[in-house]
Amino acid sequence: SQTIHQWPATLVQPVGSPLSLECTVEGTSNPNLYWYRQAAGRGLQLLFYSVGIGQISSEVPQNLSASRPQDRQFILSSKKLLLSDSGFYLCAWTPRLAGVRNEQFFGPGTRLTVL
Amino acid sequence: AQKITQTQPGMFVQEKEAVTLDCTYDTSDPSYGLFWYKQPSSGEMIFLIYQGSYDQQNATEGRYSLNFQKARKSANLVISASQLGDSAMYFCAMREGLGNYQLIWGAGTKLIIKP
Repeated sequence: SQTIHQWPATLVQPVGSPLSLECTVEGTSNPNLYWYRQAAGRGLQLLFYSVGIGQISSEVPQNLSASRPQDRQFILSSKKLLLSDSGFYLCAWTPRLAGVRNEQFFGPGTRLTVL
Repeated sequence: AQKITQTQPGMFVQEKEAVTLDCTYDTSDPSYGLFWYKQPSSGEMIFLIYQGSYDQQNATEGRYSLNFQKARKSANLVISASQLGDSAMYFCAMREGLGNYQLIWGAGTKLIIKP
């Protein structure tokens, strides 16, 4: 069966510090991978998605970047965090062939607080 | 214009009663899929149910059913015999077209089940 991991679970970082959040998927190959951010009490905002190694699409201009160095690894980074980067970050995956279904499966999330 | 609209920011329901969570959508693509996810306070996103635009029957998954009214562009989630563990945020999402990797998300409804 497939599982998706995210770490760390929680993170408190000062403004201006770097960020690295990691997501890995097990039990599948060639997944599509997604990074979302969720502000407190709000819906999900898609930040990045990837259909393959080194292939990253950005949905919104921002202070963050993403990389996919391996097939089942997706990393969210920032060189200098802003207060507005605080939120709950969720990683998700779908099988490669994106039919109309292919529900997204989510990791447990990382709660980031920037002070 | 909003593609996914959830008009109920919050709902209180008595335990064991049925509850309907509203979702309306907007798309001109004849092929689309509609999803409902549950997000407990722990933060994980749990897939509940899926309805395809060409599906002839309303989807059902255990206590969850989807009241799909295509002409009205609504896809309401019905939870029968609600339980305390149903207290959570509920999100409606849509994927438009084939080969589209993205989900469009609603703002969510916070459901609280009262004992």
